[in-house]
Amino acid sequence: ENVLTQSPAIMSASPGEKVTMTCRASSSVSSSYLHWYQQKSGASPKLWIYSTSNLASGVPARFSGSGSGTSYSLTISSVEAEDAATYYCQQYSGYPLTFGAGTKLELK
Amino acid sequence: QVTLKESGPGILQPSQTLSLTCSFSGFSLSTSGMGVGWIRQPSGEGLEWLADIWWDDNKYYNPSLKSRLTISKDTSSNQVFLKITSVDTADTATYYCARSSKWYFDVWGAGTTVTVSS
Repeated sequence: ENVLTQSPAIMSASPGEKVTMTCRASSSVSSSYLHWYQQKSGASPKLWIYSTSNLASGVPARFSGSGSGTSYSLTISSVEAEDAATYYCQQYSGYPLTFGAGTKLELK
Repeated sequence: QVTLKESGPGILQPSQTLSLTCSFSGFSLSTSGMGVGWIRQPSGEGLEWLADIWWDDNKYYNPSLKSRLTISKDTSSNQVFLKITSVDTADTATYYCARSSKWYFDVWGAGTTVTVSS
């Protein structure tokens, strides 16, 4: 099983700040199969970034994704209040597919 | 417009079998490359993938639960089913179904809450 470790577990940022969260895999993941989801409190997850760096429909351009192999990241260039959520990475490069434990982004 | 909606019993007792239904529209599971997955989330915790079923009837299960899971589909009625046998309190969670078309879950349902309690 490919274990995904997300860090930090919780992060706090002020509006306008640049933030980066990471997702590390225990085995290499093809960049085509590493994805990110956003989940706000009380809502279902939404596809946010697919295949490492492609923004899902409606995702603001301040979000970006990068990485390769076992290390991936999600960056927000200038955090806004609406970005407060938990972000999960997920790999689909082999079964069992797995999710990271999530990074909770809080706004100051 | 693609939509998915989960339905389930709400509450059941330990040792019973949990039966969940995912009713969807806007796509067909007879289309090559289409799949539906089940994912669950205990309150306040992370996401756990349970099972996938694909247009060609290939099925994949989370190994930690495989002996208790059965996923199936009814293509004509646009439904996917998941059964979990011998439930206990650890199966209390919100259960989501989601479409998988290109190796990611691009559309999710709103989820159905399941409580296992005696």
